[in-house]
Amino acid sequence: EAQVTQNPRYLITVTGKKLTVTCSQNMNHEYMSWYRQDPGLGLRQIYYSMNVEVTDKGDVPEGYKVSRKEKRNFPLILESPSPNQTSLYFCASSLRGQVISGELFFGEGSRLTVL
Amino acid sequence: GQQVMQIPQYQHVQEGEDFTTYCNSSTTLSNIQWYKQRPGGHPVFLIQLVKSGEVKKQKRLTFQFGEAKKNSSLHITATQTTDVGTYFCAGRYSGSARQLTFGSGTQLTVLP
Repeated sequence: EAQVTQNPRYLITVTGKKLTVTCSQNMNHEYMSWYRQDPGLGLRQIYYSMNVEVTDKGDVPEGYKVSRKEKRNFPLILESPSPNQTSLYFCASSLRGQVISGELFFGEGSRLTVL
Repeated sequence: GQQVMQIPQYQHVQEGEDFTTYCNSSTTLSNIQWYKQRPGGHPVFLIQLVKSGEVKKQKRLTFQFGEAKKNSSLHITATQTTDVGTYFCAGRYSGSARQLTFGSGTQLTVLP
């Protein structure tokens, strides 16, 4: 089954404790992206990747890191989480990230709470 | 930065009534996509509009892309309880062809 898998789905952590949210897709998609969803703000892009070893900042990259060592995986790293990073995070992938590309496939989401 | 404004933020309708959500951009879009997110779920792609003035239909859903490619709308005819969720538009700008800018979403509640 074609899917985007995120882990963990739920996490409560404390300020400053490094954490990684994993994302994996089995559709051989070139493009992957991370979004955070907050009430009234919609989905805001954190980072995206056009292909292996190619990453770029989205609209809200501060406090986050990513890497794309393999085509299928795109982990999101919070080196020193803070309470303002409490949010619902979505990983998404698309066959291509070029002009007029197709749909985004989203993971189930990871709800993160930073105390 | 570039923004896609979406209204209304919330909409409550009686089952059987129509519903419309609107998205507006101050600059021209290359294309616009629409997504639906059920409560507790993740966004799911509905459709993509590319051409100026384009109109597409999916059963009771009608999607429009403005002539100037700066606005779009989603209209649902005769809503059903299965239509409940948040509807997002997502625009792609020519200068940021690798990114989608999402609207803030319209949360639709359908009262039985």
